Amino acid sequence: DIVLTQSPDSLAVSLGERATINCKSSQSVLYSVNNANYLAWYQQKPGQSPKLLIYWASTRASGVPDRFSGSGSGTDFTLTISSLQAEDVAVYYCQRYYHTPPLTFGGGTKVEIK
Amino acid sequence: QVQLVESGGGVVQPGRSLRLSCAASGFTFSDYPMNWVRQAPGKGLEWVAVISFDGNNDYYADSVKGRFIISRDNSKNALYLQMNSLGADDTAVYYCARGGLMATIMIHFDYWGQGTLVTVSS
Repeated sequence: DIVLTQSPDSLAVSLGERATINCKSSQSVLYSVNNANYLAWYQQKPGQSPKLLIYWASTRASGVPDRFSGSGSGTDFTLTISSLQAEDVAVYYCQRYYHTPPLTFGGGTKVEIK
Repeated sequence: QVQLVESGGGVVQPGRSLRLSCAASGFTFSDYPMNWVRQAPGKGLEWVAVISFDGNNDYYADSVKGRFIISRDNSKNALYLQMNSLGADDTAVYYCARGGLMATIMIHFDYWGQGTLVTVSS
């Protein structure tokens, strides 16, 4: 089975500082035909449903602040929050959607304020 | 605006069945693939099943294959999940989620419902 491994499991960052979350896939999610990485990032705030942040590894979803950015290709990806705000406290998940099931999620990374 | 509203959750005994529904509005339901995703208490997200925009194709997580059936009624803008032979491991909040690209079954999820809680307990 394809596995997405997120690191760290949790991190505490000071307000205004950078937060970096990693996601490693056991198989590449890069499709050579269109050069697209089939990876998304979601944010789930306490008590809420998940919300799409990033898709195609680096495309921000509508309405997502530009302090959120996604990068990486193939098997290694990063979600960066450039300047952490109080409203960014949440669990963040990566997800692969590469052609065939399952549509696997990573285990999640909890972001807190230091 | 896009709205997805799940219903049908509750407490069910082990081995019994339950049917969840998801009412969609604010978009052309028949254009999009739809998914069920679940989250056990205090745990992460687990994709459960996906159905194509026309209902002709579906896929399941290994953990539910042979027990759960995803279906849709495009005339009613409704998504369903028939859950059979339920066990304690199926206890979770179940979310319906829209596929983010028309007619593309393997795709990210751009809208999620608020979820409905299923508790399997005797």
